[in-house]
Amino acid sequence: KAGVTQTPRYLIKTRGQQVTLSCSPISGHRSVSWYQQTPGQGLQFLFEYFSETQRNKGNFPGRFSGRQFSNSRSEMNVSTLELGDSALYLCASSTGTSGRPYNEQFFGPGTRLTVL
Amino acid sequence: GQQLNQSPQSMFIQEGEDVSMNCTSSSIFNTWLWYKQEPGEGPVLLIALYKAGELTSNGRLTAQFGITRKDSFLNISASIPSDVGIYFCAGPPNTGNQFYFGTGTSLTVIP
Repeated sequence: KAGVTQTPRYLIKTRGQQVTLSCSPISGHRSVSWYQQTPGQGLQFLFEYFSETQRNKGNFPGRFSGRQFSNSRSEMNVSTLELGDSALYLCASSTGTSGRPYNEQFFGPGTRLTVL
Repeated sequence: GQQLNQSPQSMFIQEGEDVSMNCTSSSIFNTWLWYKQEPGEGPVLLIALYKAGELTSNGRLTAQFGITRKDSFLNISASIPSDVGIYFCAGPPNTGNQFYFGTGTSLTVIP
């Protein structure tokens, strides 16, 4: 079974631009969660999508948004980029349904975003 | 927000030694997960724990779900160089579905 894939792996943008990151979950998984990882703040939850609906949301500004498609693939968008948005953005997939596997999230390799 | 504190923050050990690390929270957790992350990669799930007192092994790794449900422990026996990485605890508190990650324990194994 193929793992979680994220594209692109690396991105360089300048302040004020916007960026879209993509995540393809493990086949059969309906939940996709996004995280931001920085040396100072660690891994922080952005949001989770399940069946094309945002189900949970972390404490990030509205510049961070996402969506999920009917095939469970998800995109994350960051508008008006700031220097502090430089980070590794990780997505994780899970079955998303109640029961044990719901909590087992499997991560992709991440997208390294650098904002200049 | 929720804070998961891991200790120690970093460890430098000799190959062959055993390793112990722990994770504590201010809230009760329903599930504890342990992940390992290597440079340039996403975290990889090592062990999942689902009930208080549960003890689960995965090869040389053993993790326990604390009986208070506010802590968890990870042990690595007979460490080898490929154990190098950052180990994270994670899970959802019993209120809500948001996932929280610990601050991480960086492990260096000296051959």
